Amino acid sequence: DAGVIQSPRHEVTEMGQEVTLRCKPISGHDYLFWYRQTMMRGLELLIYFNNNVPIDDSGMPEDRFSAKMPNASFSTLKIQPSEPRDSAVYFCASSLATTGVNTEAFFGQGTRLTVV
Amino acid sequence: AQSVTQPDIHITVSEGASLELRCNYSYGATPYLFWYVQSPGQGLQLLLKYFSGDTLVQGIKGFEAEFKRSQSSFNLRKPSVHWSDAAEYFCAVGAYGGSQGNLIFGKGTKLSVKP
Repeated sequence: DAGVIQSPRHEVTEMGQEVTLRCKPISGHDYLFWYRQTMMRGLELLIYFNNNVPIDDSGMPEDRFSAKMPNASFSTLKIQPSEPRDSAVYFCASSLATTGVNTEAFFGQGTRLTVV
Repeated sequence: AQSVTQPDIHITVSEGASLELRCNYSYGATPYLFWYVQSPGQGLQLLLKYFSGDTLVQGIKGFEAEFKRSQSSFNLRKPSVHWSDAAEYFCAVGAYGGSQGNLIFGKGTKLSVKP
């Protein structure tokens, strides 16, 4: 398997524009996570899905952020409108389970978002 | 609430020297504990994990970590550091036995290796 695939790797956009980040989890993984990494706040969980259903979105910073998982092999994180403070690296991760020995999150390489 | 503290933001060690990265956690029940490594521009890679049993766990790349419940610690060690170990290291704690999928990460420790 190619691992978790994120696109784009880098995104530069102007304030106010819509940004869509994409993620393809590892095949067979039931859980998908979106994290945001900044210098100030470190790694924060934004939202996670189980079998395509959002389970916990309490980390989504505000209504400008939305995430979807239309099927088991694809998820998007959308920011509309984007603001400079959204600049960060966004990681997608997937795992087989969240309990037991299969609790291991595999991370994509991240999308570095810069909002100017 | 769960939390993870990595007291050292940046550590520099000489190549060949031993390494210990500290991690303290706060969690009311039995935790899952993880160490991840992140190279520049890359995602996070799992080094090792602890769920139960032997409190000394072995991981990839020659790393090990010891779970000490009495100290709420899960320190990462390596007996001899290689230049390729320069990276950022993250400790994380997860819920045990429930459906919660959230891993709480520490702020990370950046490791530099001197030749």
